[in-house]
Amino acid sequence: RKEVEQDPGPFNVPEGATVAFNCTYSNSASQSFFWYRQDCRKEPKLLMSVYSSGNEDGRFTAQLNRASQYISLLIRDSKLSDSATYLCVVNIYNQGGKLIFGQGTELSVKP
Amino acid sequence: DGGITQSPKYLFRKEGQNVTLSCEQNLNHDAMYWYRQDPGQGLRLIYYSQIVNDFQKGDIAEGYSVSREKKESFPLTVTSAQKNPTAFYLCASRKGTSRNEQFFGPGTRLTVL
Repeated sequence: RKEVEQDPGPFNVPEGATVAFNCTYSNSASQSFFWYRQDCRKEPKLLMSVYSSGNEDGRFTAQLNRASQYISLLIRDSKLSDSATYLCVVNIYNQGGKLIFGQGTELSVKP
Repeated sequence: DGGITQSPKYLFRKEGQNVTLSCEQNLNHDAMYWYRQDPGQGLRLIYYSQIVNDFQKGDIAEGYSVSREKKESFPLTVTSAQKNPTAFYLCASRKGTSRNEQFFGPGTRLTVL
């Protein structure tokens, strides 16, 4: 079993749609959680950290369920510019800050 | 501007040659990391360094070597022992505690001919 697993993609949605990405992690010692965005042939960039109480940044909402070891990202009112691959990322406690990456879920927003 | 730079952006190498990828950061970050990404896959950790003159192997260190002589610099050497070196290589750095996010450089695409 992979340490971080994400929904298989690609997700093809129309502009304005709401889309949700799910992610599960296997290591209960996981300490911090992030969603990164990666555009084609570019480096990953931090989209948002994920906090235990859930957090929102504009159209983006992240949720964490430690008991179920589950993370989600909700994107409302999708824009064409949201098209990218979204990476679920987990930091394991006391392992030098190394991050464990999911394989990513590709999102394509169409006009 | 503060950031992480990697050079070159594209690199071609003949089989059997060693090659060194550069990574420099002026963010005053303590920790630095090297990842490899293959098409359709997530990032995999090669090596990381939390302080100068110290580094640890990641999940796929075989065939690679690193050094950390200065806080700002963390070069990665891809040796001829790496059997499948063609990939996208990403360098990252992190400030302070392990809870903080990592920031990535623009990457180097290595192709072995």
